[in-house]
Amino acid sequence: AQSVTQLGSHVSVSEGALVLLRCNYSSSVPPYLFWYVQYPNQGLQLLLKYTSAATLVKGINGFEAEFKKSETSFHLTKPSAHMSDAAEYFCAVSGDSGYSTLTFGKGTMLLVSP
Amino acid sequence: DGGITQSPKYLFRKEGQNVTLSCEQNLNHDAMYWYRQDPGQGLRLIYYSQIVNDFQKGDIAEGYSVSREKKESFPLTVTSAQKNPTAFYLCASADSAGNTQYFGPGTRLTVL
Repeated sequence: AQSVTQLGSHVSVSEGALVLLRCNYSSSVPPYLFWYVQYPNQGLQLLLKYTSAATLVKGINGFEAEFKKSETSFHLTKPSAHMSDAAEYFCAVSGDSGYSTLTFGKGTMLLVSP
Repeated sequence: DGGITQSPKYLFRKEGQNVTLSCEQNLNHDAMYWYRQDPGQGLRLIYYSQIVNDFQKGDIAEGYSVSREKKESFPLTVTSAQKNPTAFYLCASADSAGNTQYFGPGTRLTVL
């Protein structure tokens, strides 16, 4: 079975600082990996996804993530945080049975201070 | 505009009552999903459907029921058997490749 671990339920950064949100996964098959963002009382918006092409994936809003098979990691980064980045971020891995069910991490709340 | 709609946005229910949450998509997606979100718990899969008139239980199906009579619609019923139904419910859909799920805006259910 797949699992996802997001290190840190809350991450605080200053505006303009580097954003690093960590995600480690376990999967018995080559995975598809996703990062989603959620603003308060809204649905999830896809930031980026890895589907076995390039290991460095660029997404929306200046975010990117690097797939590292040896470390079973898919960390999300952004060079310079903006106040509008404050939200909750979820890492997810595709299932290995059935039709692409997703297993989600518990989420990381990103706090951005001025 | 193509997308996924969920209604209502907020729903209040008395204990012992069944309630149905609506999910509609006009993306022509084959697969649809229901998740439950609780603070600090991430998203947990309730039910999913890959094709009309067929659906499968997810990780926490007890106390819930679904139907898939039309490709566009996947309503979720929260029954009185669900012990702790207060949560944020999210519907999603995915295309025939099934690789990427897209989410609706959610319904917040509160049991009074």
